[in-house]
Amino acid sequence: GENVEQHPSTLSVQEGDSAVIKCTYSDSASNYFPWYKQELGKGPQLIIDIRSNVGEKKDQRIAVTLNKTAKHFSLHITETQPEDSAVYFCAASMGGFQKLVFGTGTRLLVSP
Amino acid sequence: EAQVTQNPRYLITVTGKKLTVTCSQNMNHEYMSWYRQDPGLGLRQIYYSMNVEVTDKGDVPEGYKVSRKEKRNFPLILESPSPNQTSLYFCASSLRMGQASNQPQHFGDGTRLSIL
Repeated sequence: GENVEQHPSTLSVQEGDSAVIKCTYSDSASNYFPWYKQELGKGPQLIIDIRSNVGEKKDQRIAVTLNKTAKHFSLHITETQPEDSAVYFCAASMGGFQKLVFGTGTRLLVSP
Repeated sequence: EAQVTQNPRYLITVTGKKLTVTCSQNMNHEYMSWYRQDPGLGLRQIYYSMNVEVTDKGDVPEGYKVSRKEKRNFPLILESPSPNQTSLYFCASSLRMGQASNQPQHFGDGTRLSIL
């Protein structure tokens, strides 16, 4: 079936360390892979996205990599700060590209 | 300000009492969608709409209805709510979805429903 697996479910790091969250997807036709950050009491907000014709994309301290062959994509956050603490969701386009299927989320805690 | 607005933000109600959660976007987006968020399950799609008068089932549509009579509004209707529909609900919109033209989805701040 259509699914996205996300690991780890929780991740604790010290301020300044790097954090990596990994996702795998089931549909080889998926072509759009966004990452969302959800803070307490808020809706998910897009932080970065990547399309299947690109292997890597960076935006300041955030980067996403995509391995289409292995159907893996990952979020990398460098020099983490306490304000990076949140729940992060990956997603992949599926169903003829008409919908996004989300991972189960990763709770990131950055300790000062 | 570009936004997706959901109402109400919180609702406690009883089994069987029909309720509607409204969703409105001011970005002239074609695509709108409803999700529910449950612990350990992430975001699961309930219904989506590619454009006005076009709606389709997502992964968990049972017990829900939607309509898309206008581009900006996409209400979620629970005709006979049950306790297993207690959840956090999110509405989202996107300029468009489909093939190479997928655009980011923008989310509202959520509606927490408790069905007793």
